[in-house]
Amino acid sequence: IQMTQSPSSLSASVGDRVTITCRASQSIRKYLNWYQQKQGKAPKLLIYAAFTLQSGVPSRFSGSGSGTDFTLTISNLQPEDSATYYCQQSYDTWTFGQGTKVDIK
Amino acid sequence: ELQLVESGGGLVHPGGSLRLSCAGSEYTFVSYWMHWLRQAPGKGLVWISNINSDVTGTSYADSVKGRFTISRDNGKNMLYLQMNNLRAEDTAVYYCARVRYGSGSNWFDTWGQGTLVTVSS
Repeated sequence: IQMTQSPSSLSASVGDRVTITCRASQSIRKYLNWYQQKQGKAPKLLIYAAFTLQSGVPSRFSGSGSGTDFTLTISNLQPEDSATYYCQQSYDTWTFGQGTKVDIK
Repeated sequence: ELQLVESGGGLVHPGGSLRLSCAGSEYTFVSYWMHWLRQAPGKGLVWISNINSDVTGTSYADSVKGRFTISRDNGKNMLYLQMNNLRAEDTAVYYCARVRYGSGSNWFDTWGQGTLVTVSS
């Protein structure tokens, strides 16, 4: 199953609302997770099962979607949100999107 | 809270071998399926192998099948990845990760810090 994220990169200001989309090449029901990776660090789980917020993750992060189309939204963007974000499907083995790099203006 | 620490990375020549280790910090390590993933420099994340909790089942990505072997020692809370016949394209940071199941899905909730493997002559 191939995962396609868009955009590949974006630049936004503190306080903005940011949306990243992820499309699967076939239906993956809600087997979709989102990770944040900062430079030189391991990925960190943000959202699992499409919309469930991982414990300790700020509520400005939210996920939605099912089937083939999914969205990660960051409301009220903060400086510490500068990172690369990956979607990942776990319906059939495990594959990741190519990543979306979020920069703060 | 489970913590994972990888070790064993380094520089190796093409065709060489290396064994990576991943140490789990608590006894609950034994209850979980464990995975290895990797990330080539400047690239995305790729799953490469997993092993079930009682060591009766393993699986591999096609890119490493026949060259890499995953194993674990639950008595020592350790996960391993034996890598043979290494190629330049195996150069990457290697992560071990725990998978959690629930809500009708599964996800990687705990990751190690990663260990860099460089395959070069």
